[in-house]
Amino acid sequence: GQQLNQSPQSMFIQEGEDVSMNCTSSSIFNTWLWYKQEPGEGPVLLIALYKAGELTSNGRLTAQFGITRKDSFLNISASIPSDVGIYFCAGPHGSSNTGKLIFGQGTTLQVKP
Amino acid sequence: EADIYQTPRYLVIGTGKKITLECSQTMGHDKMYWYQQDPGMELHLIHYSYGVNSTEKGDLSSESTVSRIRTEHFPLTLESARPSHTSQYLCASSVWTGLTYNEQFFGPGTRLTVL
Repeated sequence: GQQLNQSPQSMFIQEGEDVSMNCTSSSIFNTWLWYKQEPGEGPVLLIALYKAGELTSNGRLTAQFGITRKDSFLNISASIPSDVGIYFCAGPHGSSNTGKLIFGQGTTLQVKP
Repeated sequence: EADIYQTPRYLVIGTGKKITLECSQTMGHDKMYWYQQDPGMELHLIHYSYGVNSTEKGDLSSESTVSRIRTEHFPLTLESARPSHTSQYLCASSVWTGLTYNEQFFGPGTRLTVL
């Protein structure tokens, strides 16, 4: 079945550093989503991507839809302590019109002040 | 900010009890979802609903059941809780954006512990 693999699994960085993480799929996606989950809360949608090669920013966050349509990347510039959390990628499960998603295993980010 | 609510936020209960986890959204979204998530792990879809009176099981087998009698309400019920049901349960909803239904909004979750 469909699978999403995220790397790295975890990151421990210094405040001010840039962060890069990625997500690869076993199948082609036509949508990529990036979510952030803070402890004790539900995931919050950060960025949605709909077109191969698309590059979209949300503040210090930038995500890209890989041209192979089997991967996506998320970058965080100049990290701050409130960036701490788990970052999940997600893509459509089966047909994109059902709304169902599959999620990667997450990348846990810790930022040292 | 999405308006989707879950109660209770935390629940500790004994084995064998019947429980209902509540989820409500005020956005008029037609699709709703329940996920199960162990701490720090990926989310697994256990139930979803296309609309009123339409529910289906997700990929992860679950002994829970759901109902969708009103658009805004999507409760999840466990008839007899067991320690293996200990987990976080997240509710989400989505609506057609013009491109997709995939942009899901999540509630804060219910952390369930069964003793």
